[in-house]
Amino acid sequence: DAGVIQSPRHEVTEMGQEVTLRCKPISGHDYLFWYRQTMMRGLELLIYFNNNVPIDDSGMPEDRFSAKMPNASFSTLKIQPSEPRDSAVYFCASSRDRGAGELFFGEGSRLTVL
Amino acid sequence: KNQVEQSPQSLIILEGKNCTLQCNYTVSPFSNLRWYKQDTGRGPVSLTIMTFSENTKSNGRYTATLDADTKQSSLHITASQLSDSASYICVVSATEYGNKLVFGAGTILRVKS
Repeated sequence: DAGVIQSPRHEVTEMGQEVTLRCKPISGHDYLFWYRQTMMRGLELLIYFNNNVPIDDSGMPEDRFSAKMPNASFSTLKIQPSEPRDSAVYFCASSRDRGAGELFFGEGSRLTVL
Repeated sequence: KNQVEQSPQSLIILEGKNCTLQCNYTVSPFSNLRWYKQDTGRGPVSLTIMTFSENTKSNGRYTATLDADTKQSSLHITASQLSDSASYICVVSATEYGNKLVFGAGTILRVKS
């Protein structure tokens, strides 16, 4: 398997623009997680899905953030409108279960909002 | 206060030397404790996963230990290599919160020749 695939790897945009980050989880994994990593706060869970259904979005910072999982092989994280404080590395991860087994991370999408 | 505290924050060692990274946690009860390695510009990669009943687990030159009584874990790296330069993150799975993963801030290790 190719692992968790994220795109784009790097995104530079201007404040106010819409940003869409994409993720393809490992086939057969029922759980998909979106994390944000910054120097100040480390890794933070934004939202996770189980069988394509959002289960916990309490980590989503504001209404400007939204996430979808239309099918088992694709998820998006959207920020609209983007702000400079959204600059971070966004990771997608997938696993067969929640918290008991192996969690596999993608390579991340580095977002810079000017 | 973070429920998972790691020390030191950063560390520089010479190639070939051993080192030990520490993780203290207050998460209780917990189902497992993990150590991840994150290379610069890459995603975290799992090194070890230990359940609460395990005391030690090895992965090549990496050995993790767990003392559930004192709520401490350590990651020992033997005969360090330049490729060990990375951030090492301790993660605890909180049973009370449906196995939610609680992340430490990480220890940045630099191995120099």
